[in-house]
Amino acid sequence: QVQLQQWGAGLLKPSETLSLTCGVYGGSFGGYYWSWIRQPPGKGLEWIGEISHSGYTNYNSSLKSRVTISLDTSKNQFSLKLSSVSVADTAVYYCARSLNGMDVWGQGTTVTVSS
Amino acid sequence: DIVMTQSPLSLPVTPGEPASISCRSSQSLLHTNGYNYLDWYLQKPGQSPQLLMYMGSNRASGVPDRFSGSGSGTDFTLQISRVEADDVGVYYCMQAVQTPPTFGPGTRVDIK
Repeated sequence: QVQLQQWGAGLLKPSETLSLTCGVYGGSFGGYYWSWIRQPPGKGLEWIGEISHSGYTNYNSSLKSRVTISLDTSKNQFSLKLSSVSVADTAVYYCARSLNGMDVWGQGTTVTVSS
Repeated sequence: DIVMTQSPLSLPVTPGEPASISCRSSQSLLHTNGYNYLDWYLQKPGQSPQLLMYMGSNRASGVPDRFSGSGSGTDFTLQISRVEADDVGVYYCMQAVQTPPTFGPGTRVDIK
């Protein structure tokens, strides 16, 4: 049973870079896309981007200039970096595995941007 | 981006009774391969979202057969044949036919 465990800094100041990592346990990267999704407080879900097992990336155009998603197959991890954060980036960030739907999700990381 | 809408946004339900949620998209979700790229998720209180249905009508692993999905093109429905107390939460539809995947606003289901 694949599990995703995510971690990273939860409190940032404006203009800093958000950095989160998602570990994949009990499975491999092959054949899937690995996604990041966020949820602002009290709001709905927003897809940030994804990376394939071979390293091909897709990003939401609304965030594309600030987002980088990368893969470390040797550590079974994938990561999210979001630069120049603002208060509007405050959200719970989720990682997820995707093939036919996003069928495995991480536990979520609350990221707060505040001066 | 494809805009997803859901109705109702709030749905009080009675255990044992059926429930239905509608999802509409601003563009067709029917791919040239014949599949509708529409997923349903449930976010229970305090939890991460969980996949219920993919490609419109396929139940995800472990999802009870009380849940069913239907529809094609731009109109989709999630039905619960007999609601249980554990079904409370926010239900989201999501289109995956075009990047970026986009979610509906969510339908909050709670017990009357």
